[in-house]
Amino acid sequence: GQNIDQPTEMTATEGAIVQINCTYQTSGFNGLFWYQQHAGEAPTFLSYNVLDGLEEKGRFSSFLSRSKGYSYLLLKELQMKDSASYLCAVLDSNYQLIWGAGTKLIIKP
Amino acid sequence: DGGITQSPKYLFRKEGQNVTLSCEQNLNHDAMYWYRQDPGQGLRLIYYSQIVNDFQKGDIAEGYSVSREKKESFPLTVTSAQKNPTAFYLCASNTRELDAGEQFFGPGTRLTVL
Repeated sequence: GQNIDQPTEMTATEGAIVQINCTYQTSGFNGLFWYQQHAGEAPTFLSYNVLDGLEEKGRFSSFLSRSKGYSYLLLKELQMKDSASYLCAVLDSNYQLIWGAGTKLIIKP
Repeated sequence: DGGITQSPKYLFRKEGQNVTLSCEQNLNHDAMYWYRQDPGQGLRLIYYSQIVNDFQKGDIAEGYSVSREKKESFPLTVTSAQKNPTAFYLCASNTRELDAGEQFFGPGTRLTVL
């Protein structure tokens, strides 16, 4: 079966750095997405990785290792507005998105 | 402004009633999707459509039906056969190319069946 694992919940302090991990086992791989979702709202796109390595976009970076079936999302200089769920999703061999359950990130002052 | 609209944002229905959730996009996207999200779970695919007048079942299609008569519109009907319909429903779209990349989401409809 296809599986994506993320921690259920993480807590971090405003101004700090947090790393959210995602491991996956899917039928094929055509890219990995990270989305941010605030409570009761739609997911919004953060990043897309298809090759190994680190993609940096402002305060957010995403890393991929295809051989390890592993990705992480790194958030720097945390702000209170970063409190949200972060969803990892993998595009499988049929170009269907397989979604993780999401990691709820709580930012404390 | 281009985007995806879903209405209504909150919907209440009595058990046993069918209900239709609307989804409209003006992004000129060929592909549209319906997801269901329950607390503590990821998005689960209900139905998707890659072209007008064609749609495919996703992982949890039982108790749901869709139509795609226009490129812009992909309504979802939650029928009385759906055992546990209370959930947050999200509509999404993207281009039909295989490397289409991100999906764009509507604001969602929270359905509560009483």
